[in-house]
Amino acid sequence: EIVLTQSPGTLSLSPGERVTLSCRASQSVSSSYLAWYQQKPGQAPRLLIYDASRRATGIPDRFSGSGSGTDFTLTIRRLEPEDFAVYYCQQYGSSPPLTFGGGTKVDIK
Amino acid sequence: EVQLVESGGGMVRPGGSLRLSCAASGFSFEDYAMSWVRQAPGKALEWVSGIKWNGGSLGYADSVKGRFTISRDNAKNSLYLQMNSLRAEDTALYYCARDGGLVVEPAYFDYWGQGALVTVSS
Repeated sequence: EIVLTQSPGTLSLSPGERVTLSCRASQSVSSSYLAWYQQKPGQAPRLLIYDASRRATGIPDRFSGSGSGTDFTLTIRRLEPEDFAVYYCQQYGSSPPLTFGGGTKVDIK
Repeated sequence: EVQLVESGGGMVRPGGSLRLSCAASGFSFEDYAMSWVRQAPGKALEWVSGIKWNGGSLGYADSVKGRFTISRDNAKNSLYLQMNSLRAEDTALYYCARDGGLVVEPAYFDYWGQGALVTVSS
């Protein structure tokens, strides 16, 4: 089973700032099969990025994903008020099981 | 518009059973793999199980293997999760999710329901 470790656990930032979230895998993720989700309180997760760097339909271009092997990054170029949420990475290169990271919370400073 | 609506959640005693359902609409259900993903209160997401478009299993998390069974009825546009021998640690919000992958299954999830809450408590 591939274990995904997200860091940091919490980030306190201000609107307009650039943010970089990290997701590290315990072993190489095949074909960069990694996705990122955003989840707000009381809501279901929303797909942001798949295949490590492809934006899902309707996702603003301030969100970008990169990485390969064991190290992946989600970058939000300029934080908007609606971006404060929890972000999860998920791998699908080796399953079952699919695995998710523990999440990074981005909150308002 | 794609819609996934879960039902069947509730409170059950340890050792009991529940069956969750997910009604799909707005897309060709029979063309997609589907999964169940759960989230315990205040915790991260956990994939539970997945199923191919034709009903073939995509596996189970070790934590539920042998106790949970996933199934689907393409004629009814519905996904199911039969949960037996429930434990306190199965308490969670259970999401139905559509698989967006084109090459591998299960893959990533492009649509999610709002979840069905399952509480296991004596």
